Amino acid sequence: DAGITQSPRHKVTETGTPVTLRCHQTENHRYMYWYRQDPGHGLRLIHYSYGVKDTDKGEVSDGYSVSRSKTEDFLLTLESATSSQTSVYFCAISEGTGGADEAFFGQGTRLTVV
Amino acid sequence: KNEVEQSPQNLTAQEGEFITINCSYSVGISALHWLQQHPGGGIVSLFMLSSGKKKHGRLIATINIQEKHSSLHITASHPRDSAVYICAVLDYGGSQGNLIFGKGTKLSVKP
Repeated sequence: DAGITQSPRHKVTETGTPVTLRCHQTENHRYMYWYRQDPGHGLRLIHYSYGVKDTDKGEVSDGYSVSRSKTEDFLLTLESATSSQTSVYFCAISEGTGGADEAFFGQGTRLTVV
Repeated sequence: KNEVEQSPQNLTAQEGEFITINCSYSVGISALHWLQQHPGGGIVSLFMLSSGKKKHGRLIATINIQEKHSSLHITASHPRDSAVYICAVLDYGGSQGNLIFGKGTKLSVKP
């Protein structure tokens, strides 16, 4: 199994509080991604990174920010959580250009905003 | 607009049956992925293909680029195959890293 770990695995937070999710990889892959998964939707890309300090927005980036200060860590921050951000969040990594190379996924983080 | 459509949405089969899950897409692609998501939630990559056919154990994935269609077949299905199977494509015109995902096919294999 690819070495990719998400933390925390579960979190309940209150509306308006900041939340940071962490994705850690031991594969030294260049590309890292954050997705959210909601009922009735396929996985949707929030942000991705193509190198240290290199990030870009995905389809549903509003309300989220990311940082990548080291190859192995990709952080997703909700500056002020809202109930619409209740979701399951997945981190993924790939060695080559996203989508053109095999992707490896973390176990997911279930976030509930109350 | 759904750029990636999977069928069926739900599928129940008896152990041992041959199973086919379909994926149709409306955009030009450079790669297609099949993923498996178990009830525990983890997602595993099964195949990545851009042409032809790939086989791994009891799983076979095919793609027809001209028809914009891919199928995932499971031979001699087993209850442990019960999972959600997800198709995802990389759009030619899409931004780097932006896979487009189908909504998944939920498979339940009964003993």
